[in-house]
Amino acid sequence: SYVLTQPPSVSVAPGQTARVTCVGNNIGSKSVNWYQLRPGQAPVLIVYVDSDRPSGIPERFAGSNSGNTATLTVTRVEAGDEADYYCQVWDSSGDHPVFGGGTKLTVL
Amino acid sequence: VQLLESGGGLVEPGRSLRLSCAASGFTISSFAMIWVRQAPGKGLECVSGISGSAGRTYYADSVKGRFSISRDNSKNTLYLQMNGLRAEDSAVYHCAKDWYGAFDPWGQGTLVTVSS
Repeated sequence: SYVLTQPPSVSVAPGQTARVTCVGNNIGSKSVNWYQLRPGQAPVLIVYVDSDRPSGIPERFAGSNSGNTATLTVTRVEAGDEADYYCQVWDSSGDHPVFGGGTKLTVL
Repeated sequence: VQLLESGGGLVEPGRSLRLSCAASGFTISSFAMIWVRQAPGKGLECVSGISGSAGRTYYADSVKGRFSISRDNSKNTLYLQMNGLRAEDSAVYHCAKDWYGAFDPWGQGTLVTVSS
């Protein structure tokens, strides 16, 4: 099964830029989606097909994907951005989604 | 478009539970749907899925032979029948709708605790 690797944690001061990486073998050939999870809440799709944003998601959330690394970039980080972030692709078999291990974003 | 899970609870090892995911705002038979769980301190794991019109199913190796996904189109509801539950099945279970290869929306989740 396809494996996605994320750093367990990323810390950033308010107003700075946070980058969350998602590493997978030739992930640049796949479409990557990103989700935000806050405790006790439903996961929220924040980036789809590498870099598109659903309506209502701020432009501060941006995605990119190339080579073996996809990246979620959060600019002008706010306290409310503190959450867990997960990347997701479809397995090479095409029959199930695969999630990264998740990254906890801490706003200092 | 909304999803609402129910059916979780405390259950002894070896027993069964059936989770429900009631959908509103769309027709579940037209979309792929998945069940994803998050165990305490762990990440997301897709345990089962069902495709749209064809109804093909997927099960993670960790639940194959014990869990069964189904849907009742008349009730617009997705189910996850969980048999032979183990302590390691303890988690919050979410259902989610396929949206162009991503998943949106998700339900808030229902907690399953397997313990004697």
